[in-house]
Amino acid sequence: GAVVSQHPSWVICKSGTSVKIECRSLDFQATTMFWYRQFPKQSLMLMATSNEGSKATYEQGVEKDKFLINHASLTLSTLTVTSAHPEDSSFYICSAPGNTGGLGYEQYFGPGTRLTVT
Amino acid sequence: GDSVTQMEGPVTLSEEAFLTINCTYTATGYPSLFWYVQYPGEGLQLLLKATKADDKGSNKGFEATYRKETTSFHLEKGSVQVSDSAVYFCALTYSGGYNKLIFGAGTRLAVHP
Repeated sequence: GAVVSQHPSWVICKSGTSVKIECRSLDFQATTMFWYRQFPKQSLMLMATSNEGSKATYEQGVEKDKFLINHASLTLSTLTVTSAHPEDSSFYICSAPGNTGGLGYEQYFGPGTRLTVT
Repeated sequence: GDSVTQMEGPVTLSEEAFLTINCTYTATGYPSLFWYVQYPGEGLQLLLKATKADDKGSNKGFEATYRKETTSFHLEKGSVQVSDSAVYFCALTYSGGYNKLIFGAGTRLAVHP
């Protein structure tokens, strides 16, 4: 099946620094990718929709200048958390829709990146 | 707006017990419904889905039926195993996978031998 990878799997950074998280579709192309944030013992909240070759679409309440998204190619989207603060500590997950072979599309999820800001 | 409500966990069961995790939804249209599972340390995986009313999704012994009249999509399994211990998410979307998923809060299941 389709595989989505994320890198790094976990990262610790100091307050005020920026962190980049990569999301790759390994064996399929994805013109659209989704970025989610998951707090401990809570559900996934959609942050933004990443569109290859155009600007990302952010959900209400998500600061686009804080969470920079770049969909550089058909297999790579990056999320940069700028000037990170402890409240940005969370689990970040990406997903990409992949063709299920005539049965429509299914979202394939990356394993997630745990960000800790100290 | 659209939303998904799941029963709160954690749910703790003994091996071979019957499992039900309730899920209800609120939607303005006719969504597709999904159950995703997240095993410890892993990403979300699609467990099963149903795209229209009265459809039954099934996989790995799990089943869920799309009930439009009760706006529900309850997950059931007749006999759980320790390996089923995970977090289960109910979700909805419109018009296939290119649209965003709306998730419930997730229900943690712990199965003991």
